[in-house]
Amino acid sequence: GAVVSQHPSWVICKSGTSVKIECRSLDFQATTMFWYRQFPKQSLMLMATSNEGSKATYEQGVEKDKFLINHASLTLSTLTVTSAHPEDSSFYICSAGEGGSSYNSPLHFGNGTRLTVT
Amino acid sequence: GQSLEQPSEVTAVEGAIVQINCTYQTSGFYGLSWYQQHDGGAPTFLSYNALDGLEETGRFSSFLSRSDSYGYLLLQELQMKDSASYFCAVRVLPWDSNYQLIWGAGTKLIIKP
Repeated sequence: GAVVSQHPSWVICKSGTSVKIECRSLDFQATTMFWYRQFPKQSLMLMATSNEGSKATYEQGVEKDKFLINHASLTLSTLTVTSAHPEDSSFYICSAGEGGSSYNSPLHFGNGTRLTVT
Repeated sequence: GQSLEQPSEVTAVEGAIVQINCTYQTSGFYGLSWYQQHDGGAPTFLSYNALDGLEETGRFSSFLSRSDSYGYLLLQELQMKDSASYFCAVRVLPWDSNYQLIWGAGTKLIIKP
């Protein structure tokens, strides 16, 4: 089945530093990838839609200058949390669909990145 | 606005059957999905209903009634490993568009021996 690889799985960084999270589709091409944020015991909150070769589309309330998204190829999207602060500590998850017109194609998720900012 | 409602928590006994309901109110509807998420892990896809009726996949079944804006996930022969959070999600754009989903808040399933 389709696999989405996300790296790193966890990271601890100091306040004020930047952290880059990578999301790769391993055996399929993904023109669109999605970045989610999830707080403990809560649902997934869509942050942005990453489009290959174009600018990401951010959800309302998400700072695009703080959460930089780059989707340079059909298999790689990156999320950079710039000047991280403790309130940015969260579980970040990427996902991608296999594309095509198959109505039941599911979203495939990476294993998530747990970010802790000290 | 768009919303999905599902119970926050359900408790059941190992070996039993449990049903998790989901009602939705969305601007568009192109299918209802169910995802399972264990603590600390990422969501994994369970099932998808685009048309009315029951879809069965092993111990898990999912049902959809578009006229009632309602669906449910049915888990049979519960095992301890089924303890997880279950999310319903509605696809609000056509199949050949992007995969943006509207998510429910999740139902934590607690299974007791």
